Parts: sequence; C-alpha cells; structure tokens
Amino acid sequence: GENVEQHPSTLSVQEGDSAVIKCTYSDSASNYFPWYKQELGKRPQLIIDIRSNVGEKKDQRIAVTLNKTAKHFSLHITETQPEDSAVYFCAASTPRSNYQLIWGAGTKLIIKP
Amino acid sequence: EAEVAQSPRYKITEKSQAVAFWCDPISGHATLYWYRQILGQGPELLVQFQDESVVDDSQLPKDRFSAERLKGVDSTLKIQPAELGDSAMYLCASSSIRWDREKETQYFGPGTRLLVL
Repeated sequence: GENVEQHPSTLSVQEGDSAVIKCTYSDSASNYFPWYKQELGKRPQLIIDIRSNVGEKKDQRIAVTLNKTAKHFSLHITETQPEDSAVYFCAASTPRSNYQLIWGAGTKLIIKP
Repeated sequence: EAEVAQSPRYKITEKSQAVAFWCDPISGHATLYWYRQILGQGPELLVQFQDESVVDDSQLPKDRFSAERLKGVDSTLKIQPAELGDSAMYLCASSSIRWDREKETQYFGPGTRLLVL
C-alpha cells in the first residue's frame, strides 16, 4: 500500500528565514497532496494542496512543489514568523483507495525569535 | 465559512464506561471520516462513510467501537467499554467527492479530546 515519509521530524529556523519540509510517497497513482498545519490542541488545517497535473503552487509565503518522477513533494515557507510554529503534516491520496489520506509522521517547526 | 461541527469538545470518563461523539459535516459533503489522533502522531483513520454507507472500517476496533451515519448527514462514534488506551483526540472530517472540484479535500472539525481514567 501507499507509504508517505516526511523529513525532518523537527525543524528549527530563525524568524525571517525560510523553512523546507520534504515528503516522499510510494504509490505512483497518488494524485493529490495536501499539507496541514496543526497547532497544539487544535484541528489540522489545510494550508495548501497540489494535484498531480501541476508542478508548483504558491499562496503568499507558502509554496508546494511536486516532482512526480522522483515521487516527492515539498513545502516551502518563506519569511517565517512566530505564528508559523506548529506541526506540519503532508499526505497523499489516490482515487483507487477511496481518496483516503496517507499521512506523513509530521514535522515540528520551531521559529526562533 | 461552513465548518465541521463536533461535540463534545472534551470528555472525561472512567474505564468501562460508554462514550459517544457527534459530528455534523459541512453541508452537502457526502463523505465523512472519523480519525483518532494520539498526541505527537498523525491522524489514524477509523472509518469512512459515503452518504450513509460504510466505505472502509478496517481500522475500527469493532469489539468496542461503532459508528453510524443513519441519514447520510451527521454521524456518531461510540466506544463501549472505554479503555485507558482510548485516550486521544477524535477528529471528524468531511469532503465532497460528488463534485469534480476539490473532491479530495478534507476539512476537519475541532475534535473531541477524550481522557479515560
């Protein structure tokens, strides 16, 4: 079945610097890749997603890139701010698995002031 | 903006008691998911509904957990009897598989934090 690996497990960056989180997936049929941000005790919130017919998508300070050949996708956060501190999860889904999300293990992002 | 509703937000119970969680998905969303999330880990899918039908409950511990979505709208997840290891956040999510646009996108409710003593 599908497997999603996420790295690093913890990332500490200086406020204002960029942060990059990487995920790889195993099922070449995966075609939808969301990123969720989860603050302590809160719900996962979708921050950006990308579909397999697109290589890159941007939303203000957040961008996601997808490399279908290498089966990996990455989240890029520029000009990091204290409120970016949270756990970030990547996920992948395929139509043949009822669109169920296969989750990465999460990355704890710490923004140092 | 429409949101997924869940209640209660917090529940403390003693082991061997029964607990129930309720979820109301975003209006029009045909697909509903129940997840369990242990602190520090990613969400674990328990059950997926399409309208009133169960699509996948392979990860639901059926000896003690049950889920229903009788009219294809809101849903209830029950645990009976609760065990210490059930302490976790229970999240409900919904998506709209019917529509071509954003059919895979899952939106989460605020969750129910369960503590079993």
